Amino acid sequence: AQSVTQLGSHVSVSEGALVLLRCNYSSSVPPYLFWYVQYPNQGLQLLLKYTSAATLVKGINGFEAEFKKSETSFHLTKPSAHMSDAAEYFCAVSGGGTASKLTFGTGTRLQVTL
Amino acid sequence: NAGVTQTPKFQVLKTGQSMTLQCAQDMNHNSMYWYRQDPGMGLRLIYYSASEGTTDKGEVPNGYNVSRLNKREFSLRLESAAPSQTSVYFCASSEDLAVLYEQYFGPGTRLTVT
Repeated sequence: AQSVTQLGSHVSVSEGALVLLRCNYSSSVPPYLFWYVQYPNQGLQLLLKYTSAATLVKGINGFEAEFKKSETSFHLTKPSAHMSDAAEYFCAVSGGGTASKLTFGTGTRLQVTL
Repeated sequence: NAGVTQTPKFQVLKTGQSMTLQCAQDMNHNSMYWYRQDPGMGLRLIYYSASEGTTDKGEVPNGYNVSRLNKREFSLRLESAAPSQTSVYFCASSEDLAVLYEQYFGPGTRLTVT
């Protein structure tokens, strides 16, 4: 069994500020972890993924996430927010090897203000 | 190269009506998926097709049927629509069912059942 919890359904940051979106997971086997972004009226797009190689994963658009097994966390960060980062972000976990076992979190909507 | 396309973009049905959502991909991917997205619930897998000629149930298959028409196309059918099927439906595809292969999502179909 696996699950993912995203803390905070809405996060607001100022342009230029640090972005931190939280994700905690549970999995009975070593997990694969993902972050997806969804811009308004669009489908999801993969930001980055953790596949048991490096614990610090770099993705597109300046985002990165760190896998912390002891904390069962995979938080998403970006040093400096841009207006174009406003979107909904989904964390996902797969405890098996197939995409049919991918479990998505409920999403965090990021608002970026001037 | 259009990626994943879905038709229609919007649809309103009355309870009991039927309809088919169409999905096509031009990336020569083997695996295709249908998800539904509901507020506060993230994405849930309805059905998937690991390869041409195969389909399998996902997390929430009740009330739906699918057809993998060929390698490019994967349709989702609602035989007798119910208000509980009001949702946004996303089709996705990936090179293979292995979770390490990125899923590419279509723009979605917004369905309302009255």
